[in-house]
Amino acid sequence: AQSVTQLGSHVSVSEGALVLLRCNYSSSVPPYLFWYVQYPNQGLQLLLKYTSAATLVKGINGFEAEFKKSETSFHLTKPSAHMSDAAEYFCAVSPNNAGNMLTFGGGTRLMVKP
Amino acid sequence: KAGVTQTPRYLIKTRGQQVTLSCSPISGHRSVSWYQQTPGQGLQFLFEYFSETQRNKGNFPGRFSGRQFSNSRSEMNVSTLELGDSALYLCASSALARGYGGATLDGNTIYFGEGSWLTVV
Repeated sequence: AQSVTQLGSHVSVSEGALVLLRCNYSSSVPPYLFWYVQYPNQGLQLLLKYTSAATLVKGINGFEAEFKKSETSFHLTKPSAHMSDAAEYFCAVSPNNAGNMLTFGGGTRLMVKP
Repeated sequence: KAGVTQTPRYLIKTRGQQVTLSCSPISGHRSVSWYQQTPGQGLQFLFEYFSETQRNKGNFPGRFSGRQFSNSRSEMNVSTLELGDSALYLCASSALARGYGGATLDGNTIYFGEGSWLTVV
């Protein structure tokens, strides 16, 4: 079964600093990988997705992620944090060959200090 | 274009009661999925419907059920509510479902609603 592990349930950065949120997956087949963001009292918004095209994926709001098969990782980065980036971030994998079912990691809460 | 709409947004139920949550997908979307989000268990997949048929099911007891109507709207039902059912229930929709009708994930985005907050007392 495919699974996702997010290292660090809480990450704190200063405004303007690099954001790095870690995600590792386990999969016996090439995975489809996603990053979603959840703001307080809201649903999930897709930041970006990897579907076996380019290994460096650019998303919305200046975020990007790099798929590294050798490390089974899909870490999310942003060069310069903004206060509005404070939210919870979820890495997800699509475990099945059919359908849209997603398996999510435990989430990482990003805090941005002024 | 309206997003995924979930109703009600907030509700409080008593143990033993049942609840029905509704999800209206984005117009034209045929795939609807449901997820439960709790502080302890995180985000867990409940089930997925495509063209009125359940395609995938998560590891939840039979008290959790769902259905999809011909207009793609979906409902989920939880019977005999327990305190542990208190959660945010999220609905997601997408135009296509990978594997059905030749769709792939490349051009298919999954959109989430804002959720229904269920509190069981």
